[in-house]
Amino acid sequence: QQQVKQSPQSLIVQKGGIPIINCAYENTAFDYFPWYQQFPGKGPALLIAIRPDVSEKKEGRFTISFNKSAKQFSLHIMDSQPGDSATYFCAASDRGSRLTFGEGTQLTVNP
Amino acid sequence: EPEVTQTPSHQVTQMGQEVILRCVPISNHLYFYWYRQILGQKVEFLVSFYNNEISEKSEIFDDQFSVERPDGSNFTLKIRSTKLEDSAMYFCASSALGTFSDTQYFGPGTRLTVL
Repeated sequence: QQQVKQSPQSLIVQKGGIPIINCAYENTAFDYFPWYQQFPGKGPALLIAIRPDVSEKKEGRFTISFNKSAKQFSLHIMDSQPGDSATYFCAASDRGSRLTFGEGTQLTVNP
Repeated sequence: EPEVTQTPSHQVTQMGQEVILRCVPISNHLYFYWYRQILGQKVEFLVSFYNNEISEKSEIFDDQFSVERPDGSNFTLKIRSTKLEDSAMYFCASSALGTFSDTQYFGPGTRLTVL
């Protein structure tokens, strides 16, 4: 019940495309849903996060869509750039405790 | 910008040896965490630490693991007798408040290789 399922495992888009990464969870006690970006050899860095009382949050080119009834949330990257090529992890936590991560999506944005 | 630092960046050890991984969290943060990432897999929670004691630990964090804040700046993870399956990237993280919506900032990681 603590799992967060993420898909797809990998994604290739052309520059300017809109990659979409999806996550699903079971634990209804989760109340914080961040997305992390990780470049090779680096630690995960927070990209954007959402709480379940809103259905969408946008920061720059990154948007989280949240569907509480379906227990799903997704990351959209508008106007993707080659510099966005990285591994993206969704995560969830319950009352600020441990982060439970998804399996990760390796995104490649071709020039 | 303040950041979490970790040393060493890479540690190679023999099976059965003890290793200590070191972290310097962001200076005004109060909550500290260790996570690990086996190559090609997801990041997994190990332990959280607040007010000089463990606040939560996962099933991975067995008696072989321990954490300590030996002084006002360092936060360490000790593995008493390393196993081959302990080979992974270990990330330290810290947060200011530990409440929901509070960002956990990750360090660059220590790659542990157990031979």
